Amino acid sequence: DSGVTQTPKHLITATGQRVTLRCSPRSGDLSVYWYQQSLDQGLQFLIQYYNGEERAKGNILERFSAQQFPDLHSELNLSSLELGDSALYFCASSAGGNTEAFFGQGTRLTVV
Amino acid sequence: AQSVTQLGSHVSVSEGALVLLRCNYSSSVPPYLFWYVQYPNQGLQLLLKYTTGATLVKGINGFEAEFKKSETSFHLTKPSAHMSDAAEYFCAVTSYNNNDMRFGAGTRLTVKP
Repeated sequence: DSGVTQTPKHLITATGQRVTLRCSPRSGDLSVYWYQQSLDQGLQFLIQYYNGEERAKGNILERFSAQQFPDLHSELNLSSLELGDSALYFCASSAGGNTEAFFGQGTRLTVV
Repeated sequence: AQSVTQLGSHVSVSEGALVLLRCNYSSSVPPYLFWYVQYPNQGLQLLLKYTTGATLVKGINGFEAEFKKSETSFHLTKPSAHMSDAAEYFCAVTSYNNNDMRFGAGTRLTVKP
């Protein structure tokens, strides 16, 4: 158990819909990362927050957004969903600096 | 910006053979380097990391990696592959005060009996 909790574990939704994925980082970790993993794209960095502020942005679509709340949990919002958004979405947390990131078990999103 | 390149998206070895998974990094500042493993339907798990100090780093499950600055490499090795090593392996880079950890595309390791 990495200490990073992601909910839900599985999500099936229709095209055009909006979903919210939730991540609770390890206790004390200030940094939260979101990644998308699909068969054709591999592991893609989406966005990172550090203590509530956006720190880095990767290949995140404009239809996607995220935020980190004062209690440090984070949410990834995916809207106007397309079939190609079907993937595993991982959250990871770290204490920052030179420390490793700890990953959650992921949310498997299926868009039908 | 930092980045890593993993050479070979698929590597296949026989049980008992040497495992060598390649990773090259790009960084304008001293890097911190990591190897993660992902088993099917699971999240990524840390195998080992290099931050400072000894360039040969030992990790879990008999894996080790050597940081070679002159070659900008951080290859992962294991002397003798086991069937349970079959998984996907990711190399990652960050640096001090840079919270943007970047991952390679991954290498899928297959172990043949």
